[in-house]
Amino acid sequence: GEDVEQSLFLSVREGDSSVINCTYTDSSSTYLYWYKQEPGAGLQLLTYIFSNMDMKQDQRLTVLLNKKDKHLSLRIADTQTGDSAIYFCAEKIYNQGGKLIFGQGTELSVKP
Amino acid sequence: DTAVSQTPKYLVTQMGNDKSIKCEQNLGHDTMYWYKQDSKKFLKIMFSYNNKELIINETVPNRFSPKSPDKAHLNLHINSLELGDSAVYFCASSQERRLTYEQYFGPGTRLTVT
Repeated sequence: GEDVEQSLFLSVREGDSSVINCTYTDSSSTYLYWYKQEPGAGLQLLTYIFSNMDMKQDQRLTVLLNKKDKHLSLRIADTQTGDSAIYFCAEKIYNQGGKLIFGQGTELSVKP
Repeated sequence: DTAVSQTPKYLVTQMGNDKSIKCEQNLGHDTMYWYKQDSKKFLKIMFSYNNKELIINETVPNRFSPKSPDKAHLNLHINSLELGDSAVYFCASSQERRLTYEQYFGPGTRLTVT
């Protein structure tokens, strides 16, 4: 079936690294995404990774994909208070058009 | 310039009313979506249109009717509103030819049914 799971909360100190984890069940995922949602705002696409890649780095963001375990993570280096938001992982299922399955979101709280 | 815009941003209405939410994108994308985000922040796709053709229609009550007058617009009409329809509704768009299917979201419309 199609299911994406994330832990609901993460709290870190400013300057530390944050790691947000996600697991998914559908092995036919083609792309996996990370979105950020700030309070009262829409979702902002942060980064994505193709399912045949293991890692993707984009400035402070590092995405790791373990396809065997169906595990995706987002590492934010040098976390800042402005990174406080809800982070959603999402998967695109093969052959279902643009349909994305979202996780429940992880609320990241960054303390000064 | 706003890429994906929605109107209104807030909508408060009574049970039984009919209301519409409008969405426009100026990204030149050919696919548009409606998502519903509930009070627990859970986000679920409702509909998707590609070049004005309905391609995704999840299990949504038929009180919800999307309409796409052209590629740049996807409106959502809701009949006989119920308390359970209270949520934030997001419009999104993507370009199907880009295999990455990156979706760009609007700011959301917070619907409150009283």
